[in-house]
Amino acid sequence: NAGVTQTPKFRILKIGQSMTLQCTQDMNHNYMYWYRQDPGMGLKLIYYSVGAGITDKGEVPNGYNVSRSTTEDFPLRLELAAPSQTSVYFCASSYEDYGYTFGSGTRLTVV
Amino acid sequence: DQQVKQNSPSLSVQEGRISILNCDYTNSMFDYFLWYKKYPAEGPTFLISISSIKDKNEDGRFTVFLNKSAKHLSLHIVPSQPGDSAVYFCAASLQTGANNLFFGTGTRLTVIP
Repeated sequence: NAGVTQTPKFRILKIGQSMTLQCTQDMNHNYMYWYRQDPGMGLKLIYYSVGAGITDKGEVPNGYNVSRSTTEDFPLRLELAAPSQTSVYFCASSYEDYGYTFGSGTRLTVV
Repeated sequence: DQQVKQNSPSLSVQEGRISILNCDYTNSMFDYFLWYKKYPAEGPTFLISISSIKDKNEDGRFTVFLNKSAKHLSLHIVPSQPGDSAVYFCAASLQTGANNLFFGTGTRLTVIP
């Protein structure tokens, strides 16, 4: 049972480039989330989804986009990367409760 | 503004002793609280939770205490083991079934053998 899988684990982007962070879960969870963790800070919610075709903004959505075409996948898109988006990104999923399962994270550096 | 605060960035404890990790929150509407544990290069994993209708929840070596009047919760680990060395995040939610958690900044626990 893989749980929540995130790819890539590490990435360096140049300012202005774009990329997609992939997230897949195999637990048939309906809720999925994207968080970012900056040094010395707690996790902050970027976007979340309560089911396929439904997404909503979290606390820090600016500069990001998401889609949820299937229950399993919840990719996070960065357009025009900025140094302020240097962070560790965590994807998570849950089945309508607090049993969040997190992926192992993607460390992104924008230079 | 940080609604959930962990004022101690780090804590060192001798193996076998008690570890006490603290968490304060500002929003009195929070009604569900959780602790997550995170090892390096891994995602956070759920450890223990407590509903606002309780003041204590116990699971093996881990106990969470909630003081609603003080807006304070704590995680006790007894006895502490070297494998407990990790970053611990406190989190709070506004309502049961809510799809947003507010996380604290984390406390790095080091258990010294």
